[in-house]
Amino acid sequence: EVQLVESGGGLVQPGRSLKLSCLASGFTFSNYGMNWIRQAPGKGLEWVASISSSSSYIYYADTVKGRFTISRDNAKNTLYLQMTSLRSEDTALYYCARLAYWGQGVMVTVSS
Amino acid sequence: DIQMTQSPSFLSATVGDRVTINCKASQNINKYLNWYQQKLGEAPKRLIYNTNSLQTGIPSRFSGSGSGTDYTLTISSLQPEDVATYFCLQHNSGPLTFGSGTKLEIK
Repeated sequence: EVQLVESGGGLVQPGRSLKLSCLASGFTFSNYGMNWIRQAPGKGLEWVASISSSSSYIYYADTVKGRFTISRDNAKNTLYLQMTSLRSEDTALYYCARLAYWGQGVMVTVSS
Repeated sequence: DIQMTQSPSFLSATVGDRVTINCKASQNINKYLNWYQQKLGEAPKRLIYNTNSLQTGIPSRFSGSGSGTDYTLTISSLQPEDVATYFCLQHNSGPLTFGSGTKLEIK
């Protein structure tokens, strides 16, 4: 069974940093590109970042470019999202996703 | 970026009804359109990929169709367990973009 389990969320002050993790199981993680997608409270889904299977290709939404870094460790079956200079508008439920499978999400709240 | 316009936003139907949900893209997305179901508190679940391919394990009452800019998810006979929010996702080009979602309830 494919599982994607996010962790690392929480309450953080504006301007601070947070690192999300996503532990994958049930499939060969190193074969698939992965994504972070978020949903702010009461808002629609927003793609955040993508990374190819070998980390050769990385893409970011303009809203997070220069502040967020997506990475992966294929030996640990884990996807990461390093978030810096966090803003209130980054408050959202963050999903780790292959297109076929999504995690349940982890909440990030940016507030003083 | 490709904009996805999904309709309706809310849908109330009776068990056994045929239900359709639509997504319109701002440009041709070459059938690279997926449909997802999200129940309260659960991870989104892919129902249909690339317009009309049924995900393994998904009941055959779910189907997808479309081409170019216009796509449809159909539930042939609505069941109580289909209460959920449904959304589309395009993965043809540029950033992944999503429909705004359709909340489906049973009358």
